[in-house]
Amino acid sequence: SQQGEEDPQALSIQEGENATMNCSYKTSINNLQWYRQNSGRGLVHLILIRSNEREKHSGRLRVTLDTSKKSSSLLITASRAADTASYFCATDAVGYSGGGADGLTFGKGTHLIIQP
Amino acid sequence: DARVTQTPRHKVTEMGQEVTMRCQPILGHNTVFWYRQTMMQGLELLAYFRNRAPLDDSGMPKDRFSAEMPDATLATLKIQPSEPRDSAVYFCASGRGAGRDTQYFGPGTRLTVL
Repeated sequence: SQQGEEDPQALSIQEGENATMNCSYKTSINNLQWYRQNSGRGLVHLILIRSNEREKHSGRLRVTLDTSKKSSSLLITASRAADTASYFCATDAVGYSGGGADGLTFGKGTHLIIQP
Repeated sequence: DARVTQTPRHKVTEMGQEVTMRCQPILGHNTVFWYRQTMMQGLELLAYFRNRAPLDDSGMPKDRFSAEMPDATLATLKIQPSEPRDSAVYFCASGRGAGRDTQYFGPGTRLTVL
């Protein structure tokens, strides 16, 4: 089963509005990452937040992490048409990956559409 | 601007044929990952190498899939024989340090098995 689950599965908003996506996970983590995938492309890393951090900013992106609730949110402010993409959270959950290796487990993503 | 490269970008083949996908990780990166992405299953980890040694291939069907790193600049993923259910986009990613650190993805190989 997936370690990270994004919510909602799809989100459509008007350009200029803020977009919020959520991620829930099951086991303790060292860090949580958010990635973006444009249609037909590979994933691009957006931001990494460590388990001892509560909030992190990068440009128009704001990520929060609540380890007590095992959840994270990604906020994109003042959305643009170019933000249309799928957004994935990824967690490392030591001991969760097969063989004990310290890889990442990705959710199924939130598909964000920004309407002009 | 260092990037992960993958070849071929698209591959159409018939069931039973061998398929080889190649990946050139970013120079200096010591971890390499192979993922498969489908609409139904999302992004699944197939194999993970660190310093060219396989650390985790538990997500890979062993009877038909194999992954290798003949040298630090080349990773390969082979499917033999291929089946229609292998149709997916296969991504390679590389990184520095531990597997839990930032990963840099290639553009993917879109495989269609008829």
